[in-house]
Amino acid sequence: NAGVTQTPKFQVLKTGQSMTLQCAQDMNHEYMSWYRQDPGMGLRLIHYSVGAGITDQGEVPNGYNVSRSTTEDFPLRLLSAAPSQTSVYFCASSYANRNTEAFFGQGTRLTVV
Amino acid sequence: DAKTTQPTSMDCAEGRAANLPCNHSTISGNEYVYWYRQIHSQGPQYIIHGLKNNETNEMASLIITEDRKSSTLILPHATLRDTAVYYCIVRPSGSRLTFGEGTQLTVNP
Repeated sequence: NAGVTQTPKFQVLKTGQSMTLQCAQDMNHEYMSWYRQDPGMGLRLIHYSVGAGITDQGEVPNGYNVSRSTTEDFPLRLLSAAPSQTSVYFCASSYANRNTEAFFGQGTRLTVV
Repeated sequence: DAKTTQPTSMDCAEGRAANLPCNHSTISGNEYVYWYRQIHSQGPQYIIHGLKNNETNEMASLIITEDRKSSTLILPHATLRDTAVYYCIVRPSGSRLTFGEGTQLTVNP
């Protein structure tokens, strides 16, 4: 079982560069989300999606874009990276409108210099 | 979503039960209590959840008070591998997870 797969695991960007963090799940989950975690802090929600074609903002959406063209994939785009976006990024998926667990990927560690 | 309050850190001896408290005094009738843990910056891992009845699975037990304003996660025989940050989250069915700061549990040999 692959679960939730995030790529890459590590990335170093220069300020102003753009990149896409990939997230894929093979559990046919409707709900997918992106979090960031800064050192010593809890996870903060960036964007989420309740199904293909539907996305919405979380607590800290500025500087990030998302799209959901398929059920399986939920990429996170940084259009112009800033040092403040240095963080660990986690993707999660779950069934929507059910009392079940969410599954998390192993994270992407991003450094912006 | 209801706000939760957890101690910043706790210690437990290996082999003993670890009891992690969580206060959620503003919980609504349709909100569930979820517990996740995060081991050394890995992705969070689901542990258990409940509405108002006590729950048990292979990992832990969840005790929810009758007024639902607080709960306790119990790891019956803590091991060194249970050292992690434990997050208590309350949320309505199917909605997004909002993480607080959690409790750093350290299991000592």
